Amino acid sequence: NAGVTQTPKFQVLKTGQSMTLQCAQDMNHEYMSWYRQDPGMGLRLIHYSVGAGITDQGEVPNGYNVSRSTTEDFPLRLLSAAPSQTSVYFCASSYLPGGTDNTGELFFGEGSRLTVL
Amino acid sequence: GDSVTQMEGPVTLSEEAFLTINCTYTATGYPSLFWYVQYPGEGLQLLLKATKADDKGSNKGFEATYRKETTSFHLEKGSVQVSDSAVYFCALYGNKLVFGAGTILRVKS
Repeated sequence: NAGVTQTPKFQVLKTGQSMTLQCAQDMNHEYMSWYRQDPGMGLRLIHYSVGAGITDQGEVPNGYNVSRSTTEDFPLRLLSAAPSQTSVYFCASSYLPGGTDNTGELFFGEGSRLTVL
Repeated sequence: GDSVTQMEGPVTLSEEAFLTINCTYTATGYPSLFWYVQYPGEGLQLLLKATKADDKGSNKGFEATYRKETTSFHLEKGSVQVSDSAVYFCALYGNKLVFGAGTILRVKS
């Protein structure tokens, strides 16, 4: 009954360091996405993927990379962390948008709180 | 493009008070509408949804009606509890999911 699993839950980085936030889902969802949540700004889409080997940019992609080598995993990479990337990051998955199984509902992980000093 | 506007918070209520959180949307076509809830320290989870005009979504005592004529999907609850304290997000799904900014609800005992 895992759903969407994110690791780590907390991370502190220094400016310029790199790291990867991991996301895995066990619901066989084609669609996976990363959001960042900042006070007063709601959720903003960073990157998304509609299947293995396919990724695309969302609203705020700069400074982040993603890849989708398997259906289950969708890691988010920060190549050179900046203080502006201090945020809470959420991974979410669903059935494929536009598909007959998709009602628009997203399933979220518990979040990863990142602080960049 | 599609967008969602929610009332700003925080909203602070006493236990057993009536709750309304306003949500209006702009979209082409006929989107599905959602309310998600985020409890402290957790991810978002679906609270209720409506997929067509005049549908009413309901769950845990919360209700919202899809009003196409006013492009609204206001969240209501007749008697809030301390355990309802959370952040509430209105969202729409046309060809992608678009979230509002979220409304913090604080319920005092």
